[in-house]
Amino acid sequence: GQQVMQIPQYQHVQEGEDFTTYCNSSTTLSNIQWYKQRPGGHPVFLIQLVKSGEVKKQKRLTFQFGEAKKDSSLHITATQTTDVGTYFCAGLLSSNTGKLIFGQGTTLQVKP
Amino acid sequence: EPEVTQTPSHQVTQMGQEVILRCVPISNHLYFYWYRQILGQKVEFLVSFYNNEISEKSEIFDDQFSVERPDGSNFTLKIRSTKLEDSAMYFCASSDRWENSPLHFGNGTRLTVT
Repeated sequence: GQQVMQIPQYQHVQEGEDFTTYCNSSTTLSNIQWYKQRPGGHPVFLIQLVKSGEVKKQKRLTFQFGEAKKDSSLHITATQTTDVGTYFCAGLLSSNTGKLIFGQGTTLQVKP
Repeated sequence: EPEVTQTPSHQVTQMGQEVILRCVPISNHLYFYWYRQILGQKVEFLVSFYNNEISEKSEIFDDQFSVERPDGSNFTLKIRSTKLEDSAMYFCASSDRWENSPLHFGNGTRLTVT
């Protein structure tokens, strides 16, 4: 079936280090969205990428969408303890039904 | 900022019982979803809903599941005969269109089937 793979599953970094999570889809995506889930919380929308090769920045976060619209990455520069949580990519396969397929998520731990 | 609200926050039920999970989507949103998340795992799509009809459902969403918009504000998920493996966090979400629109998730209902 349609899948969105995400790696790594876990990442432990020292505060100030960089962090990257990668997402890959088996099929071409209409768009890709990124969500953050704090422990015990619900997914919160961060950003969406629509165009092939698109790059967007939010302060220390950089999001990329691959040229083939099958892969994406999230890079955090100089992590802070407030970055702790699980980051999910979610690919939109069908624009007619709104079905988003989530990756497995990358759980980020930041040591102060 | 408008929110999606879900009730109850935690539901404990016995295997075989029916449960109804309730959601109030954001008022001007027309597209509704249910997702579930088994503890520590990924968020799984269950169903999307628009104009009083299911738009798409996953293979998880079998005959035991149903959704309804009984009035202008509520959106419910019913599980007719719960199984142990239905234990999960169930998230309702809404959006203002299908494409290029973020999902706004509620805080979830933790369902525990014993």
